[in-house]
Amino acid sequence: QSALTQPASVSGSPGQSITISCTGTSSDVGGYNYVSWYQQHPGKAPKLMIYDVTNRPSGVSNRFSGSKSGNTASLTISGLQAEDEADYYCNSYTSSNTRVFGGGTKLTVL
Amino acid sequence: EVQLLESGGGLVQPGGSLRLSCAASGFTFSSHGMSWVRQAPGKGLEWVSVISNDGGNSYYADSVKGRFTVSRDNSENTVYLQMNSLRAEDTAVYYCAKSLYTSIADLDYWGQGTLVTVSS
Repeated sequence: QSALTQPASVSGSPGQSITISCTGTSSDVGGYNYVSWYQQHPGKAPKLMIYDVTNRPSGVSNRFSGSKSGNTASLTISGLQAEDEADYYCNSYTSSNTRVFGGGTKLTVL
Repeated sequence: EVQLLESGGGLVQPGGSLRLSCAASGFTFSSHGMSWVRQAPGKGLEWVSVISNDGGNSYYADSVKGRFTVSRDNSENTVYLQMNSLRAEDTAVYYCAKSLYTSIADLDYWGQGTLVTVSS
């Protein structure tokens, strides 16, 4: 199972918006509405930020939003804040009854 | 409050075995699938395995299929990962995580992880 494709890094200034892409295939991202996004700060466990493509768990800021078009899912963070600096991973259900992560994207808040 | 506490990590020689445990509390354990995810030092997340809420179904990444076995004890609120024929590339922090639903699904709570080091 090949990892989903994410940019290695993105950056933005406080207050700006950024988008992280996650590209898979019709056997994973494109075939199901089961894409999630996780935030991970150094030395910490991952935290669920978006599930089922667009849904935000309770307690997650509405500055975080998810979407999908074809085989590519996206995470958008608006009104960037210093505490958003972290690694972000997408994850998708696959046709093999497994799940697959993206390679991760390091977000730098300038 | 949902809590997941992994244990059982440590140093093991190549070819050896190890069993990880994850004790859960704060939710109805028998209603949720449970997953294992690992992260090699300095690397990204890798999905490893999932077991359904009743233990009736389990699925594995190709990289561990045939070597790792996931199981659960709903009376003890604990999920296990039996790891056999360990290789250097299995060295990682292993996280257990709770599924949103009964089987393979997004993971809404994670433990703090346990480190497994495979080395001679």
